[in-house]
Amino acid sequence: DGGITQSPKYLFRKEGQNVTLSCEQNLNHDAMYWYRQDPGQGLRLIYYSQIVNDFQKGDIAEGYSVSREKKESFPLTVTSAQKNPTAFYLCASNWDGSSYNEQFFGPGTRLTVL
Amino acid sequence: AQTVTQSQPEMSVQEAETVTLSCTYDTSESNYYLFWYKQPPSRQMILVIRQEAYKQQNATENRFSVNFQKAAKSFSLKISDSQLGDTAMYFCAFMKQETSGSRLTFGEGTQLTVNP
Repeated sequence: DGGITQSPKYLFRKEGQNVTLSCEQNLNHDAMYWYRQDPGQGLRLIYYSQIVNDFQKGDIAEGYSVSREKKESFPLTVTSAQKNPTAFYLCASNWDGSSYNEQFFGPGTRLTVL
Repeated sequence: AQTVTQSQPEMSVQEAETVTLSCTYDTSESNYYLFWYKQPPSRQMILVIRQEAYKQQNATENRFSVNFQKAAKSFSLKISDSQLGDTAMYFCAFMKQETSGSRLTFGEGTQLTVNP
């Protein structure tokens, strides 16, 4: 079955540690996105990538980094510079980043900083 | 920058009744797309319905329909014959095409509870 997978489902991190969230898609989509969701707020865009080896900052990129070495993979690293990393993280993808194509979402990763 | 506002943090409706969720947005663009996404307790985001701004006809998907008022920058979602499975957080979202790809801007969400 085609889809987007995110791992792990739950992740715990100690303060000062970097952690990487995985996002893989087998939909052959060109564009991939990372969003952060906090209680009482909508999703906010962290980073997005339209093609391999290229990505752009979203609205809240500080303290995060990404890579896009393969079409199907778009990992997100939450660095120690992110002051409040506890949140729910969602990965999404669509065909070519054009407006008409809906974004498909993964199941999410819940990150908790201890 | 675009903004999306959902003024109803929580709503409830009786099963089989109709409910309307409100959404307004602010943009200077003339060509854009609007979406309603549903996030049930599983937290999986699911597309409910979408509307192209250049189309005057309101989009419909089975029990879901929108009232798109471009001049007023309003995009409300109507759910008819509400079902228990409609209980979820509903997000309104705006998208415009940029040279580096499309970006979704989300509202804060409306938590809808369908009561038996």
